[in-house]
Amino acid sequence: DVKVTQSSRYLVKRTGEKVFLECVQDMDHENMFWYRQDPGLGLRLIYFSYDVKMKEKGDIPEGYSVSREKKERFSLILESASTNQTSMYLCASRGGGDGQETQYFGPGTRLLVL
Amino acid sequence: DAKTTQPTSMDCAEGRAANLPCNHSTISGNEYVYWYRQIHSQGPQYIIHGLKNNETNEMASLIITEDRKSSTLILPHATLRDTAVYYCIVRVAGAQKLVFGQGTRLTINP
Repeated sequence: DVKVTQSSRYLVKRTGEKVFLECVQDMDHENMFWYRQDPGLGLRLIYFSYDVKMKEKGDIPEGYSVSREKKERFSLILESASTNQTSMYLCASRGGGDGQETQYFGPGTRLLVL
Repeated sequence: DAKTTQPTSMDCAEGRAANLPCNHSTISGNEYVYWYRQIHSQGPQYIIHGLKNNETNEMASLIITEDRKSSTLILPHATLRDTAVYYCIVRVAGAQKLVFGQGTRLTINP
């Protein structure tokens, strides 16, 4: 079974803090994704990565950065957390090529910024 | 990606088959139909996907109409743990992101 793990299920941070959210997958997938999920807005793509050290902006990259130093690990960084970044953050991974299209999600990190 | 339409909510008795419909009338030939579900406060869980043939796995069956304009996800023997929001998504092969709509909130009743 594909396993995508996220470093924390719940996180409470203060405005202005630097926040790191870590995601690890064990299926040797090339592609990894960070989404946020908010009531009424569905899932929105923040960033994705299609290879080590490669990244692409999604629909809402402002206020976020990412790091992919190793294939299995994809980090989301909030440089200076703000209250409007309070959300559920979801990491996903996907293989490449035909037959590897399915995205598998982690359990999510619920972040509260005070 | 094509837009999908699902009922907002559905109820089903425990042990019965749950049939969740999805309309995707603007689907194009190279778009797959995916189903995910999300149990409260957890990440979305992949269920099944298909292109034009019906598909079955250990979790569910997917029935796609011949014109591909609609599909039905079938949970053959629903349990209380199947209570979740179910999302029907259509996407082009190779597209990077998944676009989740509002989904169907399925409640399994004892």
